[in-house]
Amino acid sequence: AQSVTQPDIHITVSEGASLELRCNYSYGATPYLFWYVQSPGQGLQLLLKYFSGDTLVQGIKGFEAEFKRSQSSFNLRKPSVHWSDAAEYFCAVGAGSGGYNKLIFGAGTRLAVHP
Amino acid sequence: GAGVSQSPSNKVTEKGKDVELRCDPISGHTALYWYRQSLGQGLEFLIYFQGNSAPDKSGLPSDRFSAERTGGSVSTLTIQRTQQEDSAVYLCASSLVVRANYGYTFGSGTRLTVV
Repeated sequence: AQSVTQPDIHITVSEGASLELRCNYSYGATPYLFWYVQSPGQGLQLLLKYFSGDTLVQGIKGFEAEFKRSQSSFNLRKPSVHWSDAAEYFCAVGAGSGGYNKLIFGAGTRLAVHP
Repeated sequence: GAGVSQSPSNKVTEKGKDVELRCDPISGHTALYWYRQSLGQGLEFLIYFQGNSAPDKSGLPSDRFSAERTGGSVSTLTIQRTQQEDSAVYLCASSLVVRANYGYTFGSGTRLTVV
């Protein structure tokens, strides 16, 4: 069965520092991969997604992620974190028939940003 | 509507009571999903609808949980004889079609507290 692991439950970085959030997935074929962000009191917002092609994908708010098949990973990165990036981040993989029908989410990584 | 609307936003209920949670998806979205977000648990898939049919209800935790969708629009998630472990945020999402790569639009959720 498809699954997603986010090894880091909580990460704290200083404003202006670089960020990498880890995500590992389990899926037999080429996965559909996503990163969502949930800010306090807000719904989940899609940051970026990968389906095929270039393994480095760009998203909103200056985020990017790199698909590495050999490592079954899809890590999220940002070169310089802003205080407004403090939120919870979820990695997800498309699952179900053909990988199409539903998303399976990881447990999330809560990001705190120090001034 | 412009977004996915969920009601109520907060619900406190006594153990053993039944509750109904409502989701109003984006107009024209044929796919509708229910997830549960428990503290520190990430998002747990419950059920999805394609139109009024529910091809995958594998995530419903027990037979106390049920959901329906009428008119290809509004969906209701019903929890009978609520238990304290049902306390969570219940999130609804909709998508134009049942394809993970189309991306989901999430509502703000219903926070259910069972006392």
